[in-house]
Amino acid sequence: GAVVSQHPSRVICKSGTSVKIECRSLDFQATTMFWYRQFPKQSLMLMATSNEGSKATYEQGVEKDKFLINHASLTLSTLTVTSAHPEDSSFYICSAPRAGEQYFGPGTRLTVT
Amino acid sequence: KQEVTQIPAALSVPEGENLVLNCSFTDSAIYNLQWFRQDPGKGLTSLLLIQSSQREQTSGRLNASLDKSSGRSTLYIAASQPGDSATYLCAVMGWPPSGGSYIPTFGRGTSLIVHP
Repeated sequence: GAVVSQHPSRVICKSGTSVKIECRSLDFQATTMFWYRQFPKQSLMLMATSNEGSKATYEQGVEKDKFLINHASLTLSTLTVTSAHPEDSSFYICSAPRAGEQYFGPGTRLTVT
Repeated sequence: KQEVTQIPAALSVPEGENLVLNCSFTDSAIYNLQWFRQDPGKGLTSLLLIQSSQREQTSGRLNASLDKSSGRSTLYIAASQPGDSATYLCAVMGWPPSGGSYIPTFGRGTSLIVHP
């Protein structure tokens, strides 16, 4: 099956710094990728749709200047959490569709101290 | 806006029981529906994908059905095992009102514990 990777798997950063998370489709091209956030014991909340070659589409309530998304190639999308604060601590997951099926990365655990 | 509901929210059963997990959605104009498994602190693993034109899919001890007209899907787990303990998520793929690529909407999941 298709494989999606994320890097890093875990990151701890200090409040006020920025963190970049990468999402890669390893064996297929993805013109669209999705970024989600998941709080403990909650479901996935769609943050934004990343579109290769164009601007990301953000869901209502998600600050686009806070969560910068860049879909630089057909296999890579990045999410940058800018000026991170403790409330940004969460589990971030990306997915990419292929032939109508969603393939998920393993997730990135972000802890902001 | 599409809303996806999963019932029950949590389930604890002894090993060997047959289980039914329910997923309902409000907008029947879907592209497909996918069931996932998530282990604690991990990403999602796809279990079954049902296209909107299909009524069911089977994989091993898992069977998923889809009734698009009534907005329902069920995931049937036969002869449950402790290794089945995880959170099961249902995701509906639909078309956004403004067009563009389809987007997934997730339910809150069913947390399953199968004890020996």
